[in-house]
Amino acid sequence: AQTVTQSQPEMSVQEAETVTLSCTYDTSENNYYLFWYKQPPSRQMILVIRQEAYKQQNATENRFSVNFQKAAKSFSLKISDSQLGDTAMYFCAFMIEYGNKLVFGAGTILRVKS
Amino acid sequence: GAVVSQHPSRVICKSGTSVKIECRSLDFQATTMFWYRQFPKQSLMLMATSNEGSKATYEQGVEKDKFLINHASLTLSTLTVTSAHPEDSSFYICSAKDLGTEAFFGQGTRLTVV
Repeated sequence: AQTVTQSQPEMSVQEAETVTLSCTYDTSENNYYLFWYKQPPSRQMILVIRQEAYKQQNATENRFSVNFQKAAKSFSLKISDSQLGDTAMYFCAFMIEYGNKLVFGAGTILRVKS
Repeated sequence: GAVVSQHPSRVICKSGTSVKIECRSLDFQATTMFWYRQFPKQSLMLMATSNEGSKATYEQGVEKDKFLINHASLTLSTLTVTSAHPEDSSFYICSAKDLGTEAFFGQGTRLTVV
């Protein structure tokens, strides 16, 4: 069975600074997908970024980037130039190739301070 | 991205009554839909997976007779909470996916049983 661990229950960062959220996972699969989802106070789940395990290059979406270390089973999210609108709960998630289910981590509450 | 509409966003019902929550994929055919339950500041807990035209697969510990799931078409799934009790009060979220890898989430439903 796959598991996803987010070891930081809460974090805070000053506006315009950079913050990194940690995520580790456990799987015996070789091909899979990793995701970071954002859940703001509205509680709408929003996909932030995704990474295919077979790709060595780290995914980037504007201010969001990941550090994917397959051997270490680590998938951290870096948010650059943090904005107040980044305040949300962030979930790391895993899905096996040809699978359907997302396995979520416990989440990290991120607060961006002005 | 694709749009998933969940209705109602909030519902209050009396203990002992049933309440139905709808989840619609507006611009794609959802071969699979998922229902989650989320407690405050916690992760999403998968309740069941449903494929169009077949019976839902429930996660361990989820009462299938209490949480009835119907996925009658490729664009609509419903979750009916039967004989609701105050402990069923929670935030319920649906997601839908086609044959691709990305899941799209509804806005969620806050259920309060009084």
